[in-house]
Amino acid sequence: GAVVSQHPSRVICKSGTSVKIECRSLDFQATTMFWYRQFPKQSLMLMATSNEGSKATYEQGVEKDKFLINHASLTLSTLTVTSAHPEDSSFYICSASGLSGSGGYEQYFGPGTRLTVT
Amino acid sequence: QKEVEQNSGPLSVPEGAIASLNCTYSDRGSQSFFWYRQYSGKSPELIMFIYSNGDKEDGRFTAQLNKASQYVSLLIRDSQPSDSATYLCAVNRGTEAGTALIFGKGTTLSVSS
Repeated sequence: GAVVSQHPSRVICKSGTSVKIECRSLDFQATTMFWYRQFPKQSLMLMATSNEGSKATYEQGVEKDKFLINHASLTLSTLTVTSAHPEDSSFYICSASGLSGSGGYEQYFGPGTRLTVT
Repeated sequence: QKEVEQNSGPLSVPEGAIASLNCTYSDRGSQSFFWYRQYSGKSPELIMFIYSNGDKEDGRFTAQLNKASQYVSLLIRDSQPSDSATYLCAVNRGTEAGTALIFGKGTTLSVSS
């Protein structure tokens, strides 16, 4: 499968600060990247869909001014959590999708970033 | 509201047995179906995808799709303790390129040695 990296893998920040998470597709061009959040013992919740060079599409209930997404190239998308609060503490995972050899658009996930806001 | 349903489990099987994981989906127009494996504290790993009715085999894994019944399953043959994880069924929301996945809540599989 394709390789997607995320950085950092773990971050602890103080309430009120901003945190930037990077997602890179290392061996294919990702036409679309997705950002998910997962709370303990719950399934993944889609936050936003990001296409290269265009504005992200946010899911209902996700504040676009709080979770800033930039997809500047076919291999890099960033998520910035602004003015973080303790309730933003979660496991943030990106996935990347591009046309595969099978003719489909499988999604491959990055390893995730565990954010703790104190 | 488009939904993907899975039994949460846990599903317990002895080592060497066949584990059968099931998933139903509500949107009859769904076209693409995926099985992900997620170990505790890790991100999901794609293990199978299936786009056509019938069976698709890859090593010890077989995905089965029945669009008429809106049902997709994953069989794991010769189950190993390392297969113990949560298995997530996911369905593409649409048929266009890069459409988002809708995930089930996952089935926890426990393989005992």
